Amino acid sequence: DSGVTQTPKHLITATGQRVTLRCSPRSGDLSVYWYQQSLDQGLQFLIQYYNGEERAKGNILERFSAQQFPDLHSELNLSSLELGDSALYFCASSATFSTGGHGYTFGSGTRLTVV
Amino acid sequence: AQSVTQLGSHVSVSEGALVLLRCNYSSSVPPYLFWYVQYPNQGLQLLLKYTSAATLVKGINGFEAEFKKSETSFHLTKPSAHMSDAAEYFCAVSDEDGGYSTLTFGKGTMLLVSP
Repeated sequence: DSGVTQTPKHLITATGQRVTLRCSPRSGDLSVYWYQQSLDQGLQFLIQYYNGEERAKGNILERFSAQQFPDLHSELNLSSLELGDSALYFCASSATFSTGGHGYTFGSGTRLTVV
Repeated sequence: AQSVTQLGSHVSVSEGALVLLRCNYSSSVPPYLFWYVQYPNQGLQLLLKYTSAATLVKGINGFEAEFKKSETSFHLTKPSAHMSDAAEYFCAVSDEDGGYSTLTFGKGTMLLVSP
């Protein structure tokens, strides 16, 4: 157990729908990162939050949004879902807003299937 | 902009043979470098990291990697492969830019170990 908790583990939904993925960071970590993993694109950085504020944005679509709450858990919202959004979505956490040479701790991911 | 290239999407070795997984990076500043491993249906686990303290870095499960600035490489090796090493391996780079940083991952190399 890495200490980073992601729910749900699996999600199957239809095109056009909206889903919310949840992440609880490791105890004491203030930064949360979201990554999308697909066969064709590999691991793509989506967005980072640090202590409730957005710190960095990657290849995140406008249909996607995220937030980090006062208790530091984070949610990734995916709307108007398309078949191509099917992927594994990872959350990772770190103690500070930079890697500081420590890297991230990853959760076990949420597998999203859009049908 | 930082980037990582992993040569070979699949590498096959026999049990007991040398494992060599290649990673080349591009970074405008001295980087932090990481190797992560992903077992089936699991999240990414940190294997080892380079933070400029030593060019030869030892990690978990008998893996090590050598940072070579002149070659911009950070190849992962293990003297003797074990069946349990079969997994996907990701090289990642982080540079501190403006006080914050994120990890950029390579596309991964699947290690196949045959008896």
